[in-house]
Amino acid sequence: GDSVTQMEGPVTLSEEACLTINCTYTATGYPSLFWYVQYPGEGLQLLLKATKADDKGSNKGFEATYRKETTSFHLEKGSVQVSDSAVYFCALRGSGNTGKLIFGQGTTLQVKP
Amino acid sequence: DTEVTQTPKHLVMGMTNKKSLKCEQHMGHRAMYWYKQKAKKPPELMFVYSYEKLSINESVPSRFSPECPNSSLLNLHLHALQPEDSALYLCASSQVGVGDTQYFGPGTRLTVL
Repeated sequence: GDSVTQMEGPVTLSEEACLTINCTYTATGYPSLFWYVQYPGEGLQLLLKATKADDKGSNKGFEATYRKETTSFHLEKGSVQVSDSAVYFCALRGSGNTGKLIFGQGTTLQVKP
Repeated sequence: DTEVTQTPKHLVMGMTNKKSLKCEQHMGHRAMYWYKQKAKKPPELMFVYSYEKLSINESVPSRFSPECPNSSLLNLHLHALQPEDSALYLCASSQVGVGDTQYFGPGTRLTVL
């Protein structure tokens, strides 16, 4: 079945450091890919998405490119801020019409001043 | 507007109580979802409604009873819960279609005593 694998955290960075959170997936067909962010005590917020190969999603300085050849959707940011401290979930929605999101395990990011 | 609202924000209940969680969206979405999220874990899908009809039940115990009274509202009725049901309950909505983005509410933090 479909699955998502994220790098294990926590990831601890200093402010202004570069961020990469790895995400790889296994899926049949052509899934849509998402990054969600969850701040402490809150629900999930959509950060960015990509719906086909080579698409690049971007938002708030974060980027991720849908790489079908490597089945990856790594999240990157050039300069992180303390306010980026949160849990990041990579997810896919399969090409079947069940509506089910498959999540990775989540990566906790802590940014220190 | 991509807002999904959930009430209450927090709920404490005993094992013999009956309570309900409420979710509302006004984005014209025709698919709505309930997820359960335990600490430090990704959300787990419980139910999916599509065009106000239950389309997916992920083998959820009958002490959880969903209801979709109209296209904007989703309820989750709770009865005879167990302490292990304590979790964050998230509602989401989306258009009905392959790859459509799910938008999440802030969640209800449920504690079962």
